[in-house]
Amino acid sequence: AQKITQTQPGMFVQEKEAVTLDCTYDTSDQSYGLFWYKQPSSGEMIFLIYQGSYDEQNATEGRYSLNFQKARKSANLVISASQLGDSAMYFCAMREAFMDSNYQLIWGAGTKLIIKP
Amino acid sequence: GAVVSQHPSWVICKSGTSVKIECRSLDFQATTMFWYRQFPKQSLMLMATSNEGSKATYEQGVEKDKFLINHASLTLSTLTVTSAHPEDSSFYICSARWGGNTYEQYFGPGTRLTVT
Repeated sequence: AQKITQTQPGMFVQEKEAVTLDCTYDTSDQSYGLFWYKQPSSGEMIFLIYQGSYDEQNATEGRYSLNFQKARKSANLVISASQLGDSAMYFCAMREAFMDSNYQLIWGAGTKLIIKP
Repeated sequence: GAVVSQHPSWVICKSGTSVKIECRSLDFQATTMFWYRQFPKQSLMLMATSNEGSKATYEQGVEKDKFLINHASLTLSTLTVTSAHPEDSSFYICSARWGGNTYEQYFGPGTRLTVT
C-alpha cells in the first residue's frame, strides 16, 4: 500500500491565488514527521516545511503552511498568494519511527504545479 | 548553512565506461548520505543509504556491483556507475543528514547522466 499519496499529478493555478497541494499518508507509528519539498526544473530539492506528529500547531514558513489533519492522516501544503516562481514539482515525504527507518524518507509521487500569469 | 554539492552536474559518457559522481557536505559533517535516482516526471527512488566508514545499504533491486558507493569521510560520498549503459541514464541526487535524531536531509543539486 502507498504510504504517501499525492492525488494531484498536476495543477494549474492563476498567479496570486492560493493553492492547496494534497498529501495523505499511512502509518501505524505514533511518532512520525511530514516534509514538503519543492523541485524546480533545475532539479535541486528545496526543503519547504516540516510537521511533527506531536506538533499541536500547523507549521508555517512564510507563504507556506501545512494543514495537518491527524485524524484524516492528511498533510496538505498551502501556498498563499502564488507567484510565477512557485511553478515546480512538489513532493510530500514522511519519516516514520526512529528505530525502523534508518532515517530514510518515504516519498510521494509528486504534484506538478504551474502558475499562470 | 547545510550545503551539499555534487560534481559533476551533468555528464555524458559512452556505453561501457564508468562514471563517478561526488557528493560533498560543505559546511557540516554528514553522518548519513543517501543516493537517489529520479526518472523524468517521477518521484525520487532511494538507491542506497551510506554511513561514514561502513558499507552502504542498498535498496531492493539496486545492483551493488553496478552502483558502487563509497562514504570514506564525513564530508564525501561517491557513487560510481560501472559499465554504464543507456538505461542507466537518469538524474542522480544525493542528500546528507548531519546526525543525531534529525531527519532533515539536505540535498545536492543533482547530476544528470546520459549514456550514449
